[in-house]
Amino acid sequence: KQEVTQIPAALSVPEGENLVLNCSFTDSAIYNLQWFRQDPGKGLTSLLLIQSSQREQTSGRLNASLDKSSGRSTLYIAASQPGDSATYLCAVRGDSNYQLIWGAGTKLIIKP
Amino acid sequence: GAGVSQSPSNKVTEKGKDVELRCDPISGHTALYWYRQRLGQGLEFLIYFQGNSAPDKSGLPSDRFSAERTGESVSTLTIQRTQQEDSAVYLCASSFAGRGETQYFGPGTRLLVL
Repeated sequence: KQEVTQIPAALSVPEGENLVLNCSFTDSAIYNLQWFRQDPGKGLTSLLLIQSSQREQTSGRLNASLDKSSGRSTLYIAASQPGDSATYLCAVRGDSNYQLIWGAGTKLIIKP
Repeated sequence: GAGVSQSPSNKVTEKGKDVELRCDPISGHTALYWYRQRLGQGLEFLIYFQGNSAPDKSGLPSDRFSAERTGESVSTLTIQRTQQEDSAVYLCASSFAGRGETQYFGPGTRLLVL
């Protein structure tokens, strides 16, 4: 059974710092992995989707990497801003079905 | 509409009552998902609709939960005889067909069962 873990559960850093959020999964037979951002009252927004054959994806200040064999993904945020404050969730889709298995998220606070 | 919409945004109900939650997916999206998110936890898959195929109900936690979707349009999630443990945010997402497609989420319905 696939399990997804995100560490840390919460993170608070000063504005301008570069930071890394971690996601690990127990079953390497994944189809893809997605990083989402969750803002209170606004639902989830997809940030990056990495197919199992890919190593990384970049969008602006965000870079997500995937190491399928070790069951790990990282989300790198460069030059953090207060507007980046949110909960970041990772989710994996298995090879054999369409269900997304979710981590519990990392709550990120960027202090001005 | 431009995105996925859900109603109501908040619902407070008494234990034992039935509730109905609504989701309007993005036009043209054939796939629709319902998830539940308890406080401080990740999302739990509930049910998946794909076009006119039979839905995957494998995530529904009990027979008190049911969902319907007419064609590729609106979906309703019904919870009968609500219990306090049903309190959560219920999220709906839609996507184009295919496992590799990004899911677009609605803002959710926050359900509180007293």
